[in-house]
Formats: sequence, structure tokens, C-alpha cells
Amino acid sequence: GAGVSQSPRYKVAKRGQDVALRCDPISGHVSLFWYQQALGQGPEFLTYFQNEAQLDKSGLPSDRFFAERPEGSVSTLKIQRTQQEDSAVYLCASSSYRGESGYGYTFGSGTRLTVV
Amino acid sequence: AQKITQTQPGMFVQEKEAVTLDCTYDTSDPSYGLFWYKQPSSGEMIFLIYQGSYDQQNATEGRYSLNFQKARKSANLVISASQLGDSAMYFCAMRGFFQGAQKLVFGQGTRLTINP
Repeated sequence: GAGVSQSPRYKVAKRGQDVALRCDPISGHVSLFWYQQALGQGPEFLTYFQNEAQLDKSGLPSDRFFAERPEGSVSTLKIQRTQQEDSAVYLCASSSYRGESGYGYTFGSGTRLTVV
Repeated sequence: AQKITQTQPGMFVQEKEAVTLDCTYDTSDPSYGLFWYKQPSSGEMIFLIYQGSYDQQNATEGRYSLNFQKARKSANLVISASQLGDSAMYFCAMRGFFQGAQKLVFGQGTRLTINP
């Protein structure tokens, strides 16, 4: 597609509910990232994929957070037993670069998760 | 580890004036890249400008320029002839190139308001 697509755009979950957030990156982009952005803060790194391999998950805040990209394209971020502190915007970005210098990160519009 | 510091939570500027948004960084990586992104109220992260640590000249993109002072570890964004549409959150970010590191590290952001 022309850009990075994220769905749903908004999600309201009751505390304890499981949620799944979807990211559809730019076609052919090797790298995919998930970020969490709390209100009024900068994005915080969660996890990174190169094709289907999850190379860095150091930013996942707890074992309730799980991400996958089984075929190296679409990715899903799953949050189990949601808690109020999970309320944030979840941003997905993709890049065509595999580690060379340069730029090329394209971000989606994000999913705003509100846990009530 | 990398760190980005943006010390201006908010900036107010008259339309058509130039504005400088401050960014300092800290890294032990010998090679790195610096980015500025704009985030309007719609939520998407819009890439503005990139500076590589070994680039000899400061980066420019239209009305945006990056005042890169490597010894001082600063990468300030300069917007010339500001417009009402420039009102948004602005984030400074960096990535290192050590061992193929890919993730972006963001600062806390500066909210820029352009007054007519």
C-alpha cells in the first residue's frame, strides 16, 4: 500500500480484556517497529522485526505484551489482560533499510487504546 | 544507550518568524543518525529532516534546517518563515548504527504553537 496502515484507529477495552492491534506495513519493507506513546510523551520503543524474525523485544513492558509477524508482512501486537496503564497510542513504523545508514521510517497513524 | 533531551515543553511564535527547537543527545555509538518528526493532532509522525553523524554539511529540507553541532551533541531544528500549519508536536530522535541497531530513540517533544 501507499503507507503504513493500522487498525483499529481507536479501541476501548475493559480492564482484563485481551486486545489485538494490527499493522500493515508498506509493501516490501523489511523492518517493522512497534512504539508506545503515552499522552504528552515521546514514543517508546517496544519491539522490532526484520522480516518474520523478532530481533529486539527489549521494550515490551511485561509478558502480557506479545507481537508477531508470521509471514514477514502484517504484524499484530497483542496485549493480554489489559490494565489502565496500557492506555496509550500504539504506533507502527516500517522501513526498507536493513541496517545501513540513512532514513526511511514511515509511521502509521496509530491505534489509540483506552482501558476503562 | 542513547538519550535525547528536548528542554522546551512549549514554544509560541508569531507567524512568519523563524523558530529554533532545541535537541541534545547522548550516545556512545561512533556512528549515528538524527531525525526530526512532526506530529499534528491527527497523530501520525511526519518525517522532516535527517542528519548523519559523519555528514559534513548541515541538512536542509525546504523551510527546515538542522543546526548540527557534533562537539556539543546538539541537533537543533530551525523552521524559517513559520506558518499556521506548523503548529504541532515536534520530536527529535536518533538511532545508532552499532551492531545493526535499528530502533529510534525519541525525546519528550516540544509543542509549537504559531500565532497569527
